[in-house]
Amino acid sequence: AQSVAQPEDQVNVAEGNPLTVKCTYSVSGNPYLFWYVQYPNRGLQFLLKYITGDNLVKGSYGFEAEFNKSQTSFHLKKPSALVSDSALYFCAVRPRYSSASKIIFGSGTRLSIRP
Amino acid sequence: KAGVTQTPRYLIKTRGQQVTLSCSPISGHRSVSWYQQTPGQGLQFLFEYFSETQRNKGNFPGRFSGRQFSNSRSEMNVSTLELGDSALYLCASSLATGDQETQYFGPGTRLLVL
Repeated sequence: AQSVAQPEDQVNVAEGNPLTVKCTYSVSGNPYLFWYVQYPNRGLQFLLKYITGDNLVKGSYGFEAEFNKSQTSFHLKKPSALVSDSALYFCAVRPRYSSASKIIFGSGTRLSIRP
Repeated sequence: KAGVTQTPRYLIKTRGQQVTLSCSPISGHRSVSWYQQTPGQGLQFLFEYFSETQRNKGNFPGRFSGRQFSNSRSEMNVSTLELGDSALYLCASSLATGDQETQYFGPGTRLLVL
């Protein structure tokens, strides 16, 4: 079965430190990969996506993600965390040649940045 | 450009009632998808519409239905509400329905069933 795993329910980081939110997937072929962020009482906001090409993808708010095909991972990173980055982060995968709705979401990782 | 809008933002209903939620996609977007988000089940796909046609449907009972209008606005309806239907219902729109499309989400409608 196709799946997305976010192994950490919560990640705690001090402001100014680098952060990593992990994501691994089990989807056949070369899927498309996405990261979304959800703030309290808000919908999901698109951060970035990997379609093809450079394995390092840059997105909104200073976030970037590194695609690693051999490890089937797509970890979200930021060099210097801000308190305002505290939110719920979702990794998502969509199989190639599928429709827009055939997106598989991970369970989410709550990122907490302490001042 | 305005984002995806959903109305109402909050709803309180009682068991057995029915509810209709509305979603207006980003201008020019023709694909609308609906998701249910709960703490226990996470994000679950409900259905997708493109050009007024249902393209895909998730594993939800027939009490959940939807439609899309010619202006791409979409509604979803839940009949005979159950306590377990309490959730955040998210609508997402995209230009089309291809595999490279980015879906943009609305703020959601939070439904509480008592």
